[in-house]
Formats: sequence, structure tokens, C-alpha cells
Amino acid sequence: AQSVAQPEDQVNVAEGNPLTVKCTYSVSGNPYLFWYVQYPNRGLQFLLKYITGDNLVKGSYGFEAEFNKSQTSFHLKKPSALVSDSALYFCAVVAGTYKYIFGTGTRLKVLA
Amino acid sequence: DTGVSQDPRHKITKRGQNVTFRCDPISEHNRLYWYRQTLGQGPEFLTYFQNEAQLEKSRLLSDRFSAERPKGSFSTLEIQRTEQGDSAMYLCASSVAGTVGAGEQYFGPGTRLTVT
Repeated sequence: AQSVAQPEDQVNVAEGNPLTVKCTYSVSGNPYLFWYVQYPNRGLQFLLKYITGDNLVKGSYGFEAEFNKSQTSFHLKKPSALVSDSALYFCAVVAGTYKYIFGTGTRLKVLA
Repeated sequence: DTGVSQDPRHKITKRGQNVTFRCDPISEHNRLYWYRQTLGQGPEFLTYFQNEAQLEKSRLLSDRFSAERPKGSFSTLEIQRTEQGDSAMYLCASSVAGTVGAGEQYFGPGTRLTVT
């Protein structure tokens, strides 16, 4: 069965520091991987996706993610965090069908 | 492009009543998804349409839940005989069939259902 794990409920980082939000997945077959962000009282917004090709994917708002097949991970990263990056982040995987499986989310808090 | 819209944004109902939610996807998107999200959890897949065809339905979706997309445009999600456990945020998302793999989804703001 497909699954996604986001092992950290919350990540705290100081403004200006690099941030990492972790995601691991379990699928049979080639995964399609996504990151979404949810701001309070707003719908989920697409950040980036990995389909095939280069393992380093760049997305919106300066975010990037690295696909690591051997570690079955797709961690979200940003070189320099902003207070405005504080939000709820979800990793999702699709494999085999077009059914998305979302993780439980990681709350990112960027401290000024 | 006005994005994905959902109506109503909030619904309070009494246990046992029926409710219906509407989702209007982005006009050129042929795929439409319904999810349920509870506090502290990620979106949970409920069902998926490609054009007007309902292609997959979660086993978690009891027979009190039904969804339609009659003309391949807007969709409705109906919950009959609501229970308190149905209280959640119901999200709709749409996407375009990708040429490679799954396309990214665009989400609406959600309908928050409270069953009293």
C-alpha cells in the first residue's frame, strides 16, 4: 500500500537560517511526489513536484526538494527561511493510479 | 481564471439531516477530487472524477456519501443522515491530466461542516 510519512509535527527555525521539512514514502512502482503548503484559512497551494529526471526540483517561493530513491525520501528545503514561510506543509505521493496520498503535515514556524 | 470555488464555505447542521456541497473546478481541468480533512491530519481521499466518470471511491466512503459530476464540470458531494463524526473540512481539487504522471492539484477553500 502507498504511504507517506512526515516524521515531525513541527519544525522551528530562525529567520535567515536554512530549513528542511522531511518526507519519506512507500510505494510500489515509480512515485510522483508533491509538496503543498496551507496557510490559515486558505486552501492548499502547490509548491513543487517530482515526476522524473533531475533529483533536485525547484518550486515556488524559493523552495526546493531533493528526491532520493535509495532513502525513499523527498525532503523540502529552503536556503534562507522567512517569517512568512510559517505555515502547514504537506507531502503527497501518487503511484499506479491518480489517487493522492497525503502525509499528516508539518507545521513550520519561522522565528524572527 | 478564478480558481476552484466551493459553496457553502461553512455549514452547520443537525445530526440526521442531509447536506450537499458544490465544487466548481478550474474550467479546463478534467479531473476533480474530493477530500476530507480533520484537525491535525492531511487531506484524506474520498473520490475522484475524470470528466463525468467517477473512477475511484475510497472504501472509507460509506453509502451515506455520494458524489456526482453530471456534465464533467461542477461536482456535488451529498452526505445523507449526517453523524457527528462527519464534522470536518471537505476539500475539492482539480487538475489537468498530465502527459507524464500526475498533474498538480489546485484546491478550493473548503467547506467546513459542523454536525451538532
